[in-house]
Amino acid sequence: GAVVSQHPSWVICKSGTSVKIECRSLDFQATTMFWYRQFPKQSLMLMATSNEGSKATYEQGVEKDKFLINHASLTLSTLTVTSAHPEDSSFYICSRSRVAVNTEAFFGQGTRLTVV
Amino acid sequence: AQTVTQSQPEMSVQEAETVTLSCTYDTSENNYYLFWYKQPPSRQMILVIRQEAYKQQNATENRFSVNFQKAAKSFSLKISDSQLGDTAMYFCAFMIRPYSGAGSYQLTFGKGTKLSVIP
Repeated sequence: GAVVSQHPSWVICKSGTSVKIECRSLDFQATTMFWYRQFPKQSLMLMATSNEGSKATYEQGVEKDKFLINHASLTLSTLTVTSAHPEDSSFYICSRSRVAVNTEAFFGQGTRLTVV
Repeated sequence: AQTVTQSQPEMSVQEAETVTLSCTYDTSENNYYLFWYKQPPSRQMILVIRQEAYKQQNATENRFSVNFQKAAKSFSLKISDSQLGDTAMYFCAFMIRPYSGAGSYQLTFGKGTKLSVIP
C-alpha cells in the first residue's frame, strides 16, 4: 500500500486565494520530505526540502513567500500556495526517501492545482 | 551538482518486443544510487528498478534490467516482452548515497522518455 499520502488529489481555486496541500508519511517518521513541481509533459523539478522542526530549504528561483512549507510533525508536511495565480497551475508531488538496505524514494499521488 | 540526461523524448515498441531506454549522468560523487521510475497516466510515480553504484552487477527485476556502465556514466533500461501496461513516462534518477549510511536525499531526474507500447 501507499507509504506517502497526498491530499487533495486535485483542486481548483480562484486567483488570489491560497491552497494547502498535505503530505503524510504513513509508515515512517520522516524528518525530511521533498516537494516537486511537474509541468505538463515535463520532468519533476525539486522546489524545496521540508525539514521537521526547522525552516524549509528552497531551490533557487522558488519564491519562499509564495510556496509556504510547514513540517510540524514527523509525519506531516504541508505546502501552501499563497495568493495563487494561473501560472501556479501545475502538478505538485511530495516525496520522502529511505536510505537503507533497499534505498528508494516514495511519492504521494500528486495534486493537480488549477487556478482560474 | 548532478545532471541526468535522457536523450529520447519519445519511443514506441511493439507488444512483446524489447526496448532500451537511454540515460547518462554526470557527477563527481563516487557513492550514489540510480533509479528508473515509471509514471503512468495516473501520474503516480512507481519504482521500476534501482542500482547501487558500488555494485558492478547489473540490477534485474523480472522483465526489466539495466546496463550500468559506471566509467561511462551510463544507465540504460531494457524492457523485455513489452506489455501494454508498460506505456508510461520513464524517468531516470540519481541520488547521492549519504556517507553516514542514513539520511534522506532528494532525487535528480532526467527529462523523461515517453514510451508507447503498440498492440
